[in-house]
Amino acid sequence: DSGVTQTPKHLITATGQRVTLRCSPRSGDLSVYWYQQSLDQGLQFLIQYYNGEERAKGNILERFSAQQFPDLHSELNLSSLELGDSALYFCASSVGLVSNNEQFFGPGTRLTVL
Amino acid sequence: ELKVEQNPLFLSMQEGKNYTIYCNYSTTSDRLYWYRQDPGKSLESLFVLLSNGAVKQEGRLMASLDTKARLSTLHITAAVHDLSATYFCAVDDASKLTFGTGTRLQVTL
Repeated sequence: DSGVTQTPKHLITATGQRVTLRCSPRSGDLSVYWYQQSLDQGLQFLIQYYNGEERAKGNILERFSAQQFPDLHSELNLSSLELGDSALYFCASSVGLVSNNEQFFGPGTRLTVL
Repeated sequence: ELKVEQNPLFLSMQEGKNYTIYCNYSTTSDRLYWYRQDPGKSLESLFVLLSNGAVKQEGRLMASLDTKARLSTLHITAAVHDLSATYFCAVDDASKLTFGTGTRLQVTL
C-alpha cells in the first residue's frame, strides 16, 4: 500500500458524459501527478500539481482538466468522453520537486466508456 | 522529446535462469526508476537510480544505471515464478516520468 488513495476504483459511463476522478496523496506529499495507461498509448503523463499550482503538462486533452485543492487532494475531470478515453488512470504523489523525487502510485481508476 | 525504449517487450523465462532487461533513453537524465506492475494492479516501486554508476539490488533483482550510455539494465538472477509481471523503467524528465513500453516477464517451470 503506497499511501495514495484513488476513488472510484471502477467507473463505467457512456460517450459524451463527464466524470471526476479523485486522488488523495500520501501524507506530507505536496506534488500530485496524473497518468493514463491504455493499450494504445502505454503509460502517459498527463499533468502535475504542486501545492495547488499546476507545474507541468503532458499529453492531456483539452477535454480533460485537473485541480489540486488546499487539502492537497486532486481531481481529474474528463468531459465529452469518447470510447478511446477508456483506460486506467493513475495518480501518483511525491514530496516535492527536487531530485530523488520518487513517485508513489495509487491503485488507479479503471474507466470504461461505452 | 524524451523517448524511452525497453527491450525485450516480452520475455519467457525458465525458472532458475538469468535474464536482463534493457532500458535506453534519448536525452540526458540522471534519475531513473524501475517499477513492477501485476495485471490490473498499480505500479510498485522497485529501484531508484540517481547517479551514473548507481547499482541497487533487492533479492533476485539488480538494477544499474549508465548515464553516459543512457542505459539502465534490470538483471534477474535465478528466475522464480513470483517474478512474473510487467516491468517498466521510467526516466525523470523535469520531475515528470516518461515510461518505457514495459517488459512482460513470464516465468515457466
